[in-house]
Amino acid sequence: DIVMTQSPLSLPVTPGEPASISCRSSQSLLHTNGYIYLDWYLQKPGQSPQLLIYLGSNRASGVPDRFSGSGSGTDFTLRISRVEAEDVGVYFCMQGLHAPLTFGGGTKVEIK
Amino acid sequence: EVQLVESGGGMVQPGRSLRLSCAASGFTFENYAMHWVRQAPGKGLEWVAGISWNSASVGYGGSLKGRFTISRDNAKNSLSLQMNNLRVEDTAFYYCVKDKGEESSSPVTIPSFSFDSWGPGTLVTVSS
Repeated sequence: DIVMTQSPLSLPVTPGEPASISCRSSQSLLHTNGYIYLDWYLQKPGQSPQLLIYLGSNRASGVPDRFSGSGSGTDFTLRISRVEAEDVGVYFCMQGLHAPLTFGGGTKVEIK
Repeated sequence: EVQLVESGGGMVQPGRSLRLSCAASGFTFENYAMHWVRQAPGKGLEWVAGISWNSASVGYGGSLKGRFTISRDNAKNSLSLQMNNLRVEDTAFYYCVKDKGEESSSPVTIPSFSFDSWGPGTLVTVSS
């Protein structure tokens, strides 16, 4: 199975400041069609996860433009340009290229 | 608005079976692949199973060892998960999840393996 490794485990953030989360996969997530099958999800406290970024860098419907995804091959980054209080929760990366689909362990973002 | 509502969770003894259901509405169910994802309390996410729009293609997470079966009934807009020989480690919230789908030349979408709608989840507790 593809192993997805996220860092850091915990990320204290200051509102208005930028933040970034790293995700590394044990194999390339670049398909021959040119797409990168890497998604980012946010699970806010007490809620189900929600899709933030799909195919590496595409924001899902309704996701603020302060969220951006980048990366290629095996190394990926989720960036929040200016953190807001509503962004707290656990962020997960997930690979959708190799069966079985696998998630990273999660990064807990909390306000300092 | 997409709605996914799981049911069938509860407490069960190890070795017993349980069947989860998901009622879908707000989208053309038969055009999308669907999935189950689970989350042990306080832990991370684990993909359990996925099924194509016409049930022709199914896949399972590596830890299940043939104990779970995913199925769907497009006429009833329903997704199911049959879980047999349950173990303590199967204790988790089980989420019904809609595949985002990629557009194709037909109304049926190509699985994208991105999950754009999640149900609230149903808790399965396996304990003696």
